[in-house]
Amino acid sequence: DVKVTQSSRYLVKRTGEKVFLECVQDMDHENMFWYRQDPGLGLRLIYFSYDVKMKEKGDIPEGYSVSREKKERFSLILESASTNQTSMYLCASSLGTRETPPLHFGNGTRLTVT
Amino acid sequence: AQSVAQPEDQVNVAEGNPLTVKCTYSVSGNPYLFWYVQYPNRGLQFLLKYITGDNLVKGSYGFEAEFNKSQTSFHLKKPSALVSDSALYFCAVRANTGGFKTIFGAGTRLFVKA
Repeated sequence: DVKVTQSSRYLVKRTGEKVFLECVQDMDHENMFWYRQDPGLGLRLIYFSYDVKMKEKGDIPEGYSVSREKKERFSLILESASTNQTSMYLCASSLGTRETPPLHFGNGTRLTVT
Repeated sequence: AQSVAQPEDQVNVAEGNPLTVKCTYSVSGNPYLFWYVQYPNRGLQFLLKYITGDNLVKGSYGFEAEFNKSQTSFHLKKPSALVSDSALYFCAVRANTGGFKTIFGAGTRLFVKA
């Protein structure tokens, strides 16, 4: 079974802090995604990576950056956390072409920014 | 622009009865359509997809979905609901013209009562 592991289940950070959310997948998938999930808004794509050091902006990249130095690891960085970034963050992966949708999700990181 | 609508925030059904979770979409060109499920305190799981071919698609856990091009709909169905089907369901769409963005609906919460 594919496993997508997000390093933290819950995080509480202060406004202005730099925050790192880590995601690791164990199946050598090319594609990795970061989404945020908010009630009534569904999932919105923050960033997508289709290979090491390759990334593309999603629909809401402002205030975020990503890093993919190794194929199995995709990190989401909040450069200066703000209260409007309080949300559930989901990492996902998939095997295939750049067009393959997310198929395997982590359990999520619930981030609270105070 | 692509969009997905899940017109019902919540669907209630009695155990053993058939269930339908509705989804309509808007996309340029032909769509790729997906359903995902999120059980409480867990990440999303991929349920099924429509790419091309037969309009009735079968997926995991006894779920199926019917693609209707004229009505631009992709409703999720199950002949006999289980209490364990209670979860949050997301419909998603991507145009088949390439690109990596899969657009998710806002989600529909399904409650199955014993």
